[in-house]
Amino acid sequence: EVRLVQSGAEVKKPGESLKISCLGSGYNFPIYWIGWVRQMPGKGMEWMGVIYVGDSDTRYSPSFQGQVTISADKSISTAYLQWSSLKASDTGIYYCVRQVGATTGAVDFWGQGTLVSVSS
Amino acid sequence: DIQMTQSPSSLSASVGDRVTITCRASQGITNDLAWYQHQPGKAPRRLIFRASNLQSGVPSRFSGRGSETEFTLIISSLQPDDFAIYFCLQHYTFPPTFGGGTKVEIK
Repeated sequence: EVRLVQSGAEVKKPGESLKISCLGSGYNFPIYWIGWVRQMPGKGMEWMGVIYVGDSDTRYSPSFQGQVTISADKSISTAYLQWSSLKASDTGIYYCVRQVGATTGAVDFWGQGTLVSVSS
Repeated sequence: DIQMTQSPSSLSASVGDRVTITCRASQGITNDLAWYQHQPGKAPRRLIFRASNLQSGVPSRFSGRGSETEFTLIISSLQPDDFAIYFCLQHYTFPPTFGGGTKVEIK
């Protein structure tokens, strides 16, 4: 059974750093892309970027380029999303997803989401 | 980016009702569209891929139609477990983009 299990909810202050994780199981983790999706409170979903785990080839949506860093460690089947300096506007739920074949491939599995709350 | 316009944003329906949800793309996307169900506290679940293909394990009351710019998700007979948020996702171009979601509530 394919599973993406994300790290738990975080409460942070503006300016703090954060790294959240997504652990894959039940499939050959390195040969898939892992994407990250943001859902701000009361809003729709936004694609942030994606990483091919096998060689860490990473692509960012223009809106998120330079705002976050996506990485992965294939040895432990884990992908990461990190911020160096959080803002209140980073508050939201973040989902990791499995994408098949390419950056325009189908998305078949989702993690359960990680709630990030940023407030002074 | 391709804009996905989903309608309605919410609807009230009764068990047994037929429900139709639409996504319109701002440009043609062939059939590179999927539909998902999202229940509170759970991971979203894919229902339909490539516009009209039923995901394994998903009940046959769910179906998808359409191509290029207009797509439809149909629930033929709404069941209690179907009250959730439904959204579409196009993956024809990067970045993939989402419909705004439809909240299906109990009437």
